[in-house]
Amino acid sequence: QTVVTQEPSLTVSPGGTVTLTCASSTGPVTTNYYPNWFQQKPGQAPRALIYSTSSKYSWTPARFSGSLLGGKAALTLSAVQPEDEGEYYCLLYYGGAGVVFGGGTKLTVL
Amino acid sequence: QVQLQESGPGLVKPSETLSLTCTVSGGSISGYFWSWIRQSPGKGLQWLGYTFYSGSTTYNPSLSGRVTVSGDTSKNQFSLKLRSVTAADTAVYYCARVSVDRTSIHFDEWGQGTLVTVSS
Repeated sequence: QTVVTQEPSLTVSPGGTVTLTCASSTGPVTTNYYPNWFQQKPGQAPRALIYSTSSKYSWTPARFSGSLLGGKAALTLSAVQPEDEGEYYCLLYYGGAGVVFGGGTKLTVL
Repeated sequence: QVQLQESGPGLVKPSETLSLTCTVSGGSISGYFWSWIRQSPGKGLQWLGYTFYSGSTTYNPSLSGRVTVSGDTSKNQFSLKLRSVTAADTAVYYCARVSVDRTSIHFDEWGQGTLVTVSS
């Protein structure tokens, strides 16, 4: 069974920069996995932030960026704001096997 | 602006079938994939399956064939059926639109989610 691994938790200071990563048990993550990133706040549905590694939606704040880093998908938040606190999930595409979500990273802004 | 709304029973008995519907407004289901995702209390997201509006489907292999996702273009809805449920299937169930093209696949629009509890 394919496992997608994220950091369970990270803490960042307001105004700081933090990078969340997303690894696949099948090997290095490439653009062919079409990495997606989502933000979820308590009691709310997930909100899409990034797709296809680094593409943004019209509603994605400019301080969010996606990339590949050391064989993983990565989400970098720059100039972090208090409202960025929440849970972040990545998703990877495995062709005919569908998609798999990562376990999520709880981001604390402190 | 497309909107998705889940509906269905909030309580299902063990061993029975969980059935949910996602109604899509503000846009057509044609041309897109449509997916169900769930989130057990305090846990992460789990993808259940998706269907293309014309009927092609892909399911999470870990669900052992218990899940069916299907679309109804006449009603602009798609549905989820999960058979032989247990308490482990208690979760918030989300429906989502999946946009696919040659260079991307993305879950761009989500419903608000509906809590389904499995209990006798």
